[in-house]
Parts: sequence; C-alpha cells; structure tokens
Amino acid sequence: DSGVTQTPKHLITATGQRVTLRCSPRSGDLSVYWYQQSLDQGLQFLIHYYNGEERAKGNILERFSAQQFPDLHSELNLSSLELGDSALYFCASSASGVEEKLFFGSGTQLSVL
Amino acid sequence: AQTVTQSQPEMSVQEAETVTLSCTYDTSESDYYLFWYKQPPSRQMILVIRQEAYKQQNATENRFSVNFQKAAKSFSLKISDSQLGDAAMYFCAYRGPNFGNEKLTFGTGTRLTIIP
Repeated sequence: DSGVTQTPKHLITATGQRVTLRCSPRSGDLSVYWYQQSLDQGLQFLIHYYNGEERAKGNILERFSAQQFPDLHSELNLSSLELGDSALYFCASSASGVEEKLFFGSGTQLSVL
Repeated sequence: AQTVTQSQPEMSVQEAETVTLSCTYDTSESDYYLFWYKQPPSRQMILVIRQEAYKQQNATENRFSVNFQKAAKSFSLKISDSQLGDAAMYFCAYRGPNFGNEKLTFGTGTRLTIIP
C-alpha cells in the first residue's frame, strides 16, 4: 500500500458528461501529481500541485482542471468527456523537494461510452 | 525536452535466470533522477529502484540493480534470480533537478514475462 488513496476505482460515464476524480496524498506529502495512462499515449503528466498551488502543467486539455485543497487532497475534473478520454488516471504524491520519491495511487479507470 | 526510450517492448526470461531491461534518455541537465517502476496486472505503479545522477555508484535493491552510464545516457535494470512475481510492465522514468519541474517523464515500457 503506497498510502495514496484514489476514488473511485472505476468510473463509467457517457460522452459529454463531467466527472471528478479524487486523490488523498500520503500523510505529510505536499506535492500531488496527476498522470494519464492510455494505450496510445502511454503515461502522460497532466499537472502538479504543491501545497495548494499549481506548480507545473503538462499535456492537460482545457476541458480538464484540477485543484489542491487546504487539507492537501486533490481533485481532477474532466468535462465534456470524449471517447478518447477513456484511460487510467493516476495520482502520485511526494514530500517537498526534488529528491523525494513519488508514490502512486492505484488509479481511477475511466470509461467513456 | 527530456525523452526516455525503452527499445524493448517485450522481454521474457526463465524463472531463476537474470534479465536486463534497457533504457536510454536525453537531457541537457547534469543533475537529475532516474527511476524504474513496475506495473503488475493490478496496474499499481510500484517504485523498484532510484538512481541519483550525481552518484557514481549504481543503485541496488535486493535482486534489482541498475547499470547507470551517465555519459552514454543509459540506465538499464538487471533483475537477478527472476521470480514469477516479477512479471509486469516495467517503466523507466526521468525526473529533472529543479523545484517546480519534478514531473516524471516515462518511457513506453517493457513487458516482462517469466517462464516457469
């Protein structure tokens, strides 16, 4: 168990809908990262939050947004969903500092039908 | 931009034997971090081993060790005494040195099969 909790584990929805994925980092970790894993794109970095502030953005679509709350949990919002958004979405957390290891949650499998 | 290349989509090894997974990367940085992650069928991403670029000594974790060749930008993973539980996708990943750019850049993965 990595200590990173993601909910829900599975999500099935229809095109055009909006969903929210939730991540609780390991106790004490200030950084939260979101990654998308799909068959055609592989593992892609989406966004990084540190202590409530956005730190870096990757290949995140404008239809997607995220935030980190004062209790350090994070949410990834996906809207106007398309079939191609079907993927495994990972959250990872680390303590402060570039030398720290990233620990991944078990992921949320999103299926857009 | 940093890139990570894993040229072996699939590998197989006999149980108890040794296998080496290859990884090359491209960066202009002198300090950085390299990782191997394992993704079993459960799809959980599990950290196998980490290497700091400023350390010349190759990292070792039990049966797992790396061959880090900084000049060649090569970072291979050696699994000794392979076990059935080692069957998984293995991803090589790069992380830059700067605070604010700590994202992991992943390779495309190598699927490792263990033959009983």
